[in-house]
Amino acid sequence: GEQVEQRPPHLSVREGDSAVIICTYTDPNSYYFFWYKQEPGAGLQLLMKVFSSTEINEGQGFTVLLNKKDKQLSLNLTAAHPGDSAVYFCAVRPGTGSNRLTFGKGTKFSLIP
Amino acid sequence: EAAVTQSPRNKVAVTGGKVTLSCNQTNNHNNMYWYRQDTGHGLRLIHYSYGAGSTEKGDIPDGYKASRPSQENFSLILELATPSQTSVYFCASGDVGGVTEVFFGKGTRLTVV
Repeated sequence: GEQVEQRPPHLSVREGDSAVIICTYTDPNSYYFFWYKQEPGAGLQLLMKVFSSTEINEGQGFTVLLNKKDKQLSLNLTAAHPGDSAVYFCAVRPGTGSNRLTFGKGTKFSLIP
Repeated sequence: EAAVTQSPRNKVAVTGGKVTLSCNQTNNHNNMYWYRQDTGHGLRLIHYSYGAGSTEKGDIPDGYKASRPSQENFSLILELATPSQTSVYFCASGDVGGVTEVFFGKGTRLTVV
């Protein structure tokens, strides 16, 4: 079945710096991609959802890149601020068949004081 | 706003006891899911359901049962709780297929002593 490797497991940057989280998946049939943000003591909130057909998606303060050739999905945080401190998860789902999401193991992101 | 409500939010159980975690969604979604979250493992799928009366095994179903008596409710049952089942459990709901979002509850922290 699908396997998703997410790295790094921990990431600390200074306020205003940028950061990158990368997920590598194995199933070439994966078609839908998601980034979730989990703040302490809370559930997962959707940050962005990405179709396989779109390689670059921009949100507020971040960009999601999809490299289908290398089966990689990345979350690029630009100009980190305190509100970005959280655990980030990527998740993938195939285009047909099972509706199940496969998650990466998460990246704990924090700002260096 | 999609809503997934879990109860209880915190639970302490004794080894060998029965535990029932409840989940209610008001999104009218067909699919519901139970995950557990552990450090170093991310989110792992325990059971899921395609609709009332249906339950399916996820990736780590051993030691757990699930029940979907209605569209809105999905329960996770630990018949004989063990300390290894100490974890944070998340319920989620989502519609079928496509880039539709999966919505998460706030989680239940279960400690088995």
